[in-house]
Amino acid sequence: DAKTTQPTSMDCAEGRAANLPCNHSTISGNEYVYWYRQIHSQGPQYIIHGLKNNETNEMASLIITEDRKSSTLILPHATLRDTAVYYCIVRVPNGGSQGNLIFGKGTKLSVKP
Amino acid sequence: SQTIHQWPATLVQPVGSPLSLECTVEGTSNPNLYWYRQAAGRGLQLLFYSVGIGQISSEVPQNLSASRPQDRQFILSSKKLLLSDSGFYLCAWTRTNEKLFFGSGTQLSVL
Repeated sequence: DAKTTQPTSMDCAEGRAANLPCNHSTISGNEYVYWYRQIHSQGPQYIIHGLKNNETNEMASLIITEDRKSSTLILPHATLRDTAVYYCIVRVPNGGSQGNLIFGKGTKLSVKP
Repeated sequence: SQTIHQWPATLVQPVGSPLSLECTVEGTSNPNLYWYRQAAGRGLQLLFYSVGIGQISSEVPQNLSASRPQDRQFILSSKKLLLSDSGFYLCAWTRTNEKLFFGSGTQLSVL
């Protein structure tokens, strides 16, 4: 079973920031928070990951609470092409079954003009 | 740069027929390889993973099998397809165990 909880769906206006929440209250000390997204009929795409510090890259920002029990993915200026299912995953980044991604149902983000 | 190739893109097969889906990775060596399945309207389910040639781990009991005959080749097979095998099959790889890179997927319809 997935170890994260996400809202089923969210809407966002084009050009505005999209803030996608994720709860992972049972996260262990060596587990990272990963975000992937899946545009319809395509393979998932890596977005960002982090352990406890906030992270930013060219795609998004990841804000992790101090207790690490929740996080928020921020798309600063959402476009129509950001419409996708967004998956929040916790995992230990090493080999073997412990390191494999377990996908939940994710959040369906709809960016509207 | 690394690339992952997965084919075919779509496949329609009758119940009871065999299946062979192939995935190859270029531009890296000794990757971890994965097969996922996504049933219609559902999340991704990890089916198999491999950390090396001939090393296959199965995550769920099922009608499918996987093989890794070469370092960068991963094959998903079935001797007799079931209706329940329909879905979107995705191959993925990682070298650093940080980011997973997915192929474009195969949409399998078993009729």
